[in-house]
Amino acid sequence: AQRVTQPEKLLSVFKGAPVELKCNYSYSGSPELFWYVQYSRQRLQLLLRHISRESIKGFTADLNKGETSFHLKKPFAQEEDSAMYYCALSTGNTGKLIFGQGTTLQVKP
Amino acid sequence: DTEVTQTPKHLVMGMTNKKSLKCEQHMGHRAMYWYKQKAKKPPELMFVYSYEKLSINESVPSRFSPECPNSSLLNLHLHALQPEDSALYLCASSPTGTGGPFGELFFGEGSRLTVL
Repeated sequence: AQRVTQPEKLLSVFKGAPVELKCNYSYSGSPELFWYVQYSRQRLQLLLRHISRESIKGFTADLNKGETSFHLKKPFAQEEDSAMYYCALSTGNTGKLIFGQGTTLQVKP
Repeated sequence: DTEVTQTPKHLVMGMTNKKSLKCEQHMGHRAMYWYKQKAKKPPELMFVYSYEKLSINESVPSRFSPECPNSSLLNLHLHALQPEDSALYLCASSPTGTGGPFGELFFGEGSRLTVL
């Protein structure tokens, strides 16, 4: 079965602390994985995708096929990072994007 | 224009009403989507149109009827809805149709539907 698991509903850190939002997936094929972010009162938007191997707003995520994980990391959290973060799995060329349950990141001053 | 635009932003309807949600994009994207999102939950896929043809229907009840009049427009016709259908309905588009990487979706702000 295709599934995305984000074990933490809420992650609360202080400004300047490192952040790791966890994501595990279940998929028998070759996965495409993404992180989407939804800031307060803004639309859901793509943050980054694993095939790009890029850093966006200081965030990075590495696909670990052995551990079936795609954790999102940032070394120093900023207050403006507070948002809902969704990990998502694309199952090939079907048009289907499966979202995890989401993790709310709260960065305290 | 690099946005997905949805109208109306808010809609209140009775269970016997017929209404429509509209979605528009002018980015030349070839796939368009309807998602349903309940409060504090992830978006749930309802329908996918690829090159203006319905390619995925996630077993959505027939009281929701999608329509793709052209490559820029996507409608969701609503009839005889139930109170539990109250939710945020999100439209999204992606650059490629069948055969391409689907994951990069561009979302609209959503239409918040309340069914009385």
